Amino acid sequence: DGGITQSPKYLFRKEGQNVTLSCEQNLNHDAMYWYRQDPGQGLRLIYYSQIVNDFQKGDIAEGYSVSREKKESFPLTVTSAQKNPTAFYLCASRLGVEAVEQFFGPGTRLTVL
Amino acid sequence: DAKTTQPTSMDCAEGRAANLPCNHSTISGNEYVYWYRQIHSQGPQYIIHGLKNNETNEMASLIITEDRKSSTLILPHATLRDTAVYYCIVMSDYKLSFGAGTTVTVRA
Repeated sequence: DGGITQSPKYLFRKEGQNVTLSCEQNLNHDAMYWYRQDPGQGLRLIYYSQIVNDFQKGDIAEGYSVSREKKESFPLTVTSAQKNPTAFYLCASRLGVEAVEQFFGPGTRLTVL
Repeated sequence: DAKTTQPTSMDCAEGRAANLPCNHSTISGNEYVYWYRQIHSQGPQYIIHGLKNNETNEMASLIITEDRKSSTLILPHATLRDTAVYYCIVMSDYKLSFGAGTTVTVRA
């Protein structure tokens, strides 16, 4: 099946630890995105990448880092500098920036204790 | 960025049409209106998009006013599985910006 995989579905970490969230797609999409969602809120863009080896900050990039070394992979690291990391994280991809439909993964729910 | 305004919530009876309004008065001439929905604890799902003309697909219809300052998403025969948060989005700079959306509850 083609799609976007995010793992794990639930993740628990202690405060002060960095954690990396996985996002893999086999759709051959160029553009990939990371969003954060807090309870009762819409999605906020963290980082996006329009092509391999290139990425840009979104609206709330502070405390996060990404890499895009492979077309199919766009991991997100939540660093200890992120003040409120507990949230639902969603990865998405599009064929290209001008493509119509953006596909979303199932999400990872991160809880920092 | 063009912003959108949607009602916080609405109820709909199963089998009836659900009409979801959205205001986007600052939309630019080349910006598309997109609709996505998010079922609880899942990733959002694309529904439909449009520029000027009304659009219809297997999921919904999109009616855009002539001045493009507002639009309405129509779910023709709502089912319980249509209960979700619906987002009206104006794509800007090839990025989607999600507001709080409209929580639609379909009741039997």
